[in-house]
Amino acid sequence: DIQMTQSPSSLSASVGDRVTITCRASQSISSYLNWYQQKPGKAPKLLIYAASSLQSGVPSRFSGSGSGTDFTLTISSLQPEDFATYYCQQSYSTPRTFGQGTRLEIK
Amino acid sequence: QLQLQESGPGLVKPSETLSLTCTVSGGSISSSSYYWGWIRQPPGKGLEWIGSIYYSGSTYYNPSLKSRVTISVDTSKNQFSLKLSSVTAADTAVYYCASDPVAVNLGVDYWGQGTLVTVSS
Repeated sequence: DIQMTQSPSSLSASVGDRVTITCRASQSISSYLNWYQQKPGKAPKLLIYAASSLQSGVPSRFSGSGSGTDFTLTISSLQPEDFATYYCQQSYSTPRTFGQGTRLEIK
Repeated sequence: QLQLQESGPGLVKPSETLSLTCTVSGGSISSSSYYWGWIRQPPGKGLEWIGSIYYSGSTYYNPSLKSRVTISVDTSKNQFSLKLSSVTAADTAVYYCASDPVAVNLGVDYWGQGTLVTVSS
């Protein structure tokens, strides 16, 4: 299985801050990396697919980059509704695997 | 717009078999675009992919659960199902069904709301 490692595990930030979350794959996954946002009691929501493509309806303050083994999710200016947990997931091979999550908290 | 809905018991006894069904609406489970997957999340923890099935019956499973998991599909009912045998308290989790795109450059865009299954005597 491909292991996905996110950092940091948790992060405190303020409204308006620029935030970056990283995800590293245990082997090259080309650009087959997706990012999700999950709020308490809700299913995850797809934000970014194929490393850098913005899912329809997702605000443009979210962006993704990377290829191979190293990827980033950036939120350019945090909004109150962005405080949530974020997961990366590889779709390069089966079984699909997720990172352990990054909890984004209000400072 | 696809909609997925999990159903099944919320409480299962240790050593028994957990059984859940996912009903797909707004589209056909026989679509060539998707596998149909099960994902779980223990309370306060991260997401774990259990496995997926194609409408033809082709499956793939997480190796860590493979010996205990069976996923099946019923195209006539537009449903797919999960069976997890010999459950323990470690299998307590919210179980989600989801679309799993065949195209590797796409993410999971449709999820069920999730159903909490507790393993306890």
